[in-house]
Amino acid sequence: EPEVTQTPSHQVTQMGQEVILRCVPISNHLYFYWYRQILGQKVEFLVSFYNNEISEKSEIFDDQFSVERPDGSNFTLKIRSTKLEDSAMYFCASSRQNRAGDEQYFGPGTRLTVT
Amino acid sequence: AQKITQTQPGMFVQEKEAVTLDCTYDTSDPSYGLFWYKQPSSGEMIFLIYQGSYDQQNATEGRYSLNFQKARKSANLVISASQLGDSAMYFCAMREGRGNTPLVFGKGTRLSVIA
Repeated sequence: EPEVTQTPSHQVTQMGQEVILRCVPISNHLYFYWYRQILGQKVEFLVSFYNNEISEKSEIFDDQFSVERPDGSNFTLKIRSTKLEDSAMYFCASSRQNRAGDEQYFGPGTRLTVT
Repeated sequence: AQKITQTQPGMFVQEKEAVTLDCTYDTSDPSYGLFWYKQPSSGEMIFLIYQGSYDQQNATEGRYSLNFQKARKSANLVISASQLGDSAMYFCAMREGRGNTPLVFGKGTRLSVIA
């Protein structure tokens, strides 16, 4: 069964450094998302992406964040200058369509630790 | 205001018994979808079940069923014949409207299945 993959599974970085989290969505999916989950808290939406453009973003997704689909398979989330509070699990998700009932398939997550 | 409310931070259930995890939601949009995800200790998000706002019947998927009470705005997850492997965090989530809207998650319920 096709699945969303994410690399790395765990990233440790120093405050102020740039990180790039990578995702490979399911191949025939068109809609891509990033969510994050601070330890022990709920999953929060960051950004959605379709047709090489951001469709929607949350208040969390400020100028320090950017997303890109550099080729036909990868979908990346970049944090330009990490802060301690960016430490979280970051989930990539994809869906084939974008109706309310369409399941978003989640990747296994990247645990980002900022020291 | 919280869009998704899960009032049970933690629940215990005896193996082979049924358990109900509560979820209430808040929306004025007539079109929405409700989802339940399971998050085991390994961290990945596993889709369990979906209920659309216009669905006439409660959704069922194997041992999972959704007790959808539209007038009360509740979408409780029922797990029958609990297994030790059901021990995990369970998140209720909602997507509103027909367009490109993100999933909004509740804070989750930690289910522990006791042998």
